[in-house]
Amino acid sequence: EVQLVESGGGLVQPGGTLKVSCATSGFTFSGDWMSWVRQSPGKGLEWVANIKQDGSEKYYVDSVKGRFTISRDNAKNSLYLQINGLRAEDTAVYYCARLDSRPPFYYVMDVWGKGTTVTVSS
Amino acid sequence: DIQLTQSPSFLSASVGGRVTITCRATHDISTYLAWYQQKPGKAPKLLIYAASTLQSGVPSRFSGSGSGTEFTLTISSLQPEDFATYYCQQLNAYPRRFTFGPGTKVDIK
Repeated sequence: EVQLVESGGGLVQPGGTLKVSCATSGFTFSGDWMSWVRQSPGKGLEWVANIKQDGSEKYYVDSVKGRFTISRDNAKNSLYLQINGLRAEDTAVYYCARLDSRPPFYYVMDVWGKGTTVTVSS
Repeated sequence: DIQLTQSPSFLSASVGGRVTITCRATHDISTYLAWYQQKPGKAPKLLIYAASTLQSGVPSRFSGSGSGTEFTLTISSLQPEDFATYYCQQLNAYPRRFTFGPGTKVDIK
């Protein structure tokens, strides 16, 4: 069974840092692009970042560029999101998702974790 | 950047009823669109991709249509477990970025 399990969320003061993780199992992690998506309380879904299979390409939503860093460790089947300079508006549930390639040329988020909650407050 | 809008933002429907949700893109995105279902406190679930392809395991009462800038998600006979929020999402041929629509909440009438 394909599983994604996020961890590392918590309460952080504004300006603080946090690293959230996503442990995966049940598929060949090194063979897939991965994503982070977040959802602020009572709000919709916002794509945050993508990372290529070997980590050589990373893409971010404009609002987090320069503060967030997506990374992965294929030996540990794990995905990470380093969040620096936390702001109140970063308060959200952070989900990791697998990007599956579907023919002919579609990438879809077909498996999601249950999410980890990051709260930014003093 | 391409923006997605959804209508309505909220709808109330009865069990057994037919529901249609519309997603519009600001530019032509061909069939690069997916639909997700999210229940309170749960992760989103992929329902449809490539505008009309049903994800494995999703009931056939869900269907998608459209191309270009206008897309629809239809639930032919609403079941109690279908009360949720539905999001459209622009897909990509290369995963540089994604955009979600604002969501449509389907509630019990």
